[in-house]
Amino acid sequence: DAMVIQNPRYQVTQFGKPVTLSCSQTLNHNVMYWYQQKSSQAPKLLFHYYDKDFNNEADTPDNFQSRRPNTSFCFLDIRSPGLGDAAMYLCATSIKGIGTQYFGPGTRLTVL
Amino acid sequence: KQEVTQIPAALSVPEGENLVLNCSFTDSAIYNLQWFRQDPGKGLTSLLLIQSSQREQTSGRLNASLDKSSGRSTLYIAASQPGDSATYLCAVRTDYKLSFGAGTTVTVRA
Repeated sequence: DAMVIQNPRYQVTQFGKPVTLSCSQTLNHNVMYWYQQKSSQAPKLLFHYYDKDFNNEADTPDNFQSRRPNTSFCFLDIRSPGLGDAAMYLCATSIKGIGTQYFGPGTRLTVL
Repeated sequence: KQEVTQIPAALSVPEGENLVLNCSFTDSAIYNLQWFRQDPGKGLTSLLLIQSSQREQTSGRLNASLDKSSGRSTLYIAASQPGDSATYLCAVRTDYKLSFGAGTTVTVRA
């Protein structure tokens, strides 16, 4: 089945130790998104790629970076995780203009 | 800036009762509205998407309505079951961006 896959599902890192989260998709969608969702809060968009064009939200901290080496893969890099970065990170895809966003299962990040 | 509100934050009902979940948004210039389900510790599952030109969408026991001019949507779940227990989030799309509410956590008691 076509889908959005995130690895790992659970990630534990230490304060200040760089971490990379992975997202892949078999839907061949041209837009990929990264959201951060803290406990009992709404998902918050960090950035998105429209094809190779990177679009950062104005309030996304510089600590968060992203790479999209090809259509299928997108990575979220957290350069120096702080305790406040502990959250669920959700990847989503869509075909721009059609609207439905398809979400992966998320990666739960714990920062010790 | 689009603000999306879902009230109540939590809801508990006995099995078989119909569920009514509310969503309001501040900017009516939307492309569509999407309802999602989220189980604890999991990602989001899309339930229904309503285009801005539509008034409602139905899928099985789920029906969602949209009143764009007043900035409201309602998700109805008929004859609730314990398996419907989850958090339900609404999200409105303006341009590329989805703006989410914080969700309503539903518990259906057997």
